[in-house]
Amino acid sequence: DTGVSQDPRHKITKRGQNVTFRCDPISEHNRLYWYRQTLGQGPEFLTYFQNEAQLEKSRLLSDRFSAERPKGSFSTLEIQRTEQGDSAMYLCASSGQLNYGYTFGSGTRLTVV
Amino acid sequence: KQEVTQIPAALSVPEGENLVLNCSFTDSAIYNLQWFRQDPGKGLTSLLLIQSSQREQTSGRLNASLDKSSGRSTLYIAASQPGDSATYLCAVSQGNEKLTFGTGTRLTIIP
Repeated sequence: DTGVSQDPRHKITKRGQNVTFRCDPISEHNRLYWYRQTLGQGPEFLTYFQNEAQLEKSRLLSDRFSAERPKGSFSTLEIQRTEQGDSAMYLCASSGQLNYGYTFGSGTRLTVV
Repeated sequence: KQEVTQIPAALSVPEGENLVLNCSFTDSAIYNLQWFRQDPGKGLTSLLLIQSSQREQTSGRLNASLDKSSGRSTLYIAASQPGDSATYLCAVSQGNEKLTFGTGTRLTIIP
């Protein structure tokens, strides 16, 4: 296993378009997380899955954002009707158990023009 | 609400020097603390994980300490190299499946 994979690495979209990102966690990890990072800031928590169940969502996750993890493996994060304020790095992480820490992917950089 | 602060925000040191990065957190009831490295435009690479019951962890030239009662952690980098230039982030977990990050220290090693 090569770690957490995210696709695409970069996405440029026009305001108002929908975008979808994919995350493939480490295969034996049952926990999957999405974070968002803007320039000069630390990552901020968006949402968390344990297996296929979405157990927590941040207030940062507006109604335009939806995340799924249909079979408890890969996850998708969709942003509808993108706004310029959505421009950020979207990071995915996975974990097997809390006390073993988190492994992050390389991120998807979204630019809304 | 947990808040994590990293000081300084930026640091430049000549190659070969030892250096210390600081991280403080407001709620000492943490599960663990993790230090990450982030290169420009890239994702996060885990450096060291310290459990709440531990005082320090070492990996190569890196040593991280944790003083939970005072809400502090330090990352010590020995014999710095230009390849160490990056942003260093600390993050705490409170067992609620959510990491709280600091804003990072941007480190530049001058050859």
